[in-house]
Amino acid sequence: NAGVMQNPRHLVRRRGQEARLRCSPMKGHSHVYWYRQLPEEGLKFMVYLQKENIIDESGMPKERFSAEFPKEGPSILRIQQVVRGDSAAYFCASSPAAGGVNEQFFGPGTRLTVL
Amino acid sequence: QKEVEQDPGPLSVPEGAIVSLNCTYSNSAFQYFMWYRQYSRKGPELLMYTYSSGNKEDGRFTAQVDKSSKYISLFIRDSQPSDSATYLCAMRDGSSASKIIFGSGTRLSIRP
Repeated sequence: NAGVMQNPRHLVRRRGQEARLRCSPMKGHSHVYWYRQLPEEGLKFMVYLQKENIIDESGMPKERFSAEFPKEGPSILRIQQVVRGDSAAYFCASSPAAGGVNEQFFGPGTRLTVL
Repeated sequence: QKEVEQDPGPLSVPEGAIVSLNCTYSNSAFQYFMWYRQYSRKGPELLMYTYSSGNKEDGRFTAQVDKSSKYISLFIRDSQPSDSATYLCAMRDGSSASKIIFGSGTRLSIRP
């Protein structure tokens, strides 16, 4: 029973390029969450998605960032025209349902470095 | 003011000591309180969760919530070097679609 999978684990981009981060939730989980972790800081919520729907994107920057979770395939976090400040670890989590304790299982993260 | 405040440490204690980790929060709507452990270069894993006020014990770990003081704690008894990690408190309100708010994490080191 594989856990949450993220790829790539490490991603290097130059300023102005696009970054695509992929997340495959645990089997049977239909809720996906993306978080960003800057060095020496906790996780900051970005977006919460269910299949084909964005439920809460209140933590997403208004520009350059988008997320999707299509009917088939992984969830994608897309960052256009990356800047140095986008360098961070991006974690994806999944849960079987919302509400209650809402235990979220985290993936290993994608470490994005913008040169 | 941040919604959740957590001392970043680092905290270094000898093996076998009792460790106390704490967070304070400002949002009185929070009802679910969690502690995550994160090893270096890994994703966080859920250690403990508590609904509303009270204590919860699981092996060497005890989580306490005091909603009147907006203060939560995690105690680790008989600490082991393998407990060395960053511990993140986290919380959310009761609505089904609410997001989890994390503390900044406390880095803990257990000296053999």
